[in-house]
Amino acid sequence: DAGVTQSPTHLIKTRGQQVTLRCSPKSGHDTVSWYQQALGQGPQFIFQYYEEEERQRGNFPDRFSGHQFPNYSSELNVNALLLGDSALYLCASSLGGDMGETQYFGPGTRLLVL
Amino acid sequence: GNSVTQMEGPVTLSEEAFLTINCTYTATGYPSLFWYVQYPGEGLQLLLKATKADDKGSNKGFEATYRKETTSFHLEKGSVQVSDSAVYFCALRGFASGSRLTFGEGTQLTVNP
Repeated sequence: DAGVTQSPTHLIKTRGQQVTLRCSPKSGHDTVSWYQQALGQGPQFIFQYYEEEERQRGNFPDRFSGHQFPNYSSELNVNALLLGDSALYLCASSLGGDMGETQYFGPGTRLLVL
Repeated sequence: GNSVTQMEGPVTLSEEAFLTINCTYTATGYPSLFWYVQYPGEGLQLLLKATKADDKGSNKGFEATYRKETTSFHLEKGSVQVSDSAVYFCALRGFASGSRLTFGEGTQLTVNP
């Protein structure tokens, strides 16, 4: 049973650049959520995708955008990178959109912005 | 809004010691409660969960009981091992917030042999 996978594992960018992170959900799951985890902090919810639409959004600026594909995989895009965007970005998958009870997390993509 | 407060860390214990990590929450309605564990360099793994008051979640020797009267979900283990060294996160899924999770700050646990 394939778990949640994310790519790349690590990424280094400079301020002002754009980045795309990718996530494949756990087999059988149709909902993907993205979280940002700054060093020493708990994860913060960015947004959730279900049926190829953004369903919920946390307190993040429009520089953060996403997409979900028909196979349920998802991308997180961040434009105009800031130093403060340096963090571990976690993807979590679940079943059933808002009704999903339990989220399963991937290993994360560690982004460093210089 | 929803919030989760965890005991300040880090926590350092000797092997076979008793562990308690405190977690309290603020939420409207009846949230579901979770404990996740993060090993060094890895993502989060679900450790246990409870979905209604007085439920007890348990896994790998860890336990936590959903106490609505004290809005708490404290994590306990009777005898910790070196391999339990990790960061532990308490989280809630709010009644009206879909499946999004609200996390605490995390508690670093180090178990020495």
